[in-house]
Amino acid sequence: EAGVAQSPRYKIIEKRQSVAFWCNPISGHATLYWYQQILGQGPKLLIQFQNNGVVDDSQLPKDRFSAERLKGVDSTLKIQPAKLEDSAVYLCASSSRTGVPYEQYFGPGTRLTVT
Amino acid sequence: AQTVTQSQPEMSVQEAETVTLSCTYDTSENNYYLFWYKQPPSRQMILVIRQEAYKQQNATENRFSVNFQKAAKSFSLKISDSQLGDTAMYFCAFSTGTASKLTFGTGTRLQVTL
Repeated sequence: EAGVAQSPRYKIIEKRQSVAFWCNPISGHATLYWYQQILGQGPKLLIQFQNNGVVDDSQLPKDRFSAERLKGVDSTLKIQPAKLEDSAVYLCASSSRTGVPYEQYFGPGTRLTVT
Repeated sequence: AQTVTQSQPEMSVQEAETVTLSCTYDTSENNYYLFWYKQPPSRQMILVIRQEAYKQQNATENRFSVNFQKAAKSFSLKISDSQLGDTAMYFCAFSTGTASKLTFGTGTRLQVTL
C-alpha cells in the first residue's frame, strides 16, 4: 500500500510570494488533514477534510491560506502572500473509517522557508 | 479545548536501557484516545502506540508500553531495551474519536547512545 505523498519536499520563497503544496492521501482514505509544524513545536491542525467537504478550518489563517480537495482525493494548500512566520513543515495526513481506527498516516512533509 | 503537555524537551538513554517519556493532558471529555508518535530525523511521523481512554489495561507494542492514569490525566511512554533506531522526536497526542484531529504536545527529543 502506497503511503501519503507530498510535493515538493522543500521550498524556499521570499516574503509576499505565493506557494502551493500538494498531497495525495492513501487510496480510499476519506479524511485528509493539513498540519503546520513550526520548528520546536508539535504539529497544529490547519484544516480537515471529509471527502471533499471541510470539517474543521478554525485554525486556518483564511486571509492568506486556502485549501481545496477536489473530487475527495488529492488536496492542495496555498499560501498567498507568504510571511516570515509561515516558515514551517507542512504535513499532510489521512485516515480511514475502516481498518485500523483512529490512526492517521502522515506524509514526509514539505519544508517551507520564507526569506 | 484540549491541551497536551510534554515537560521533557530532551532525554538521553544508553542502548539496551529503559527510558520513560512523560505526558499530561487536559480535557473535559470522558471518551478519547491518546497516542505516541515517533518522528525520526528527516523522516515521516509514524504511530508508536495507541490507548483508548475507556480501556483500563495499559497498551503494549513489543518494547513500547504506556502507563495510562486517567484520573491524573497522565500518559507516559516506556521504551525497554532501547535501540539506536529509537532516536527521534516523540510526540504525545490526543484525539476525541474517529477521524478527529490530533492535538499534539511539543515533543521530547530522545537520543539513544552507545
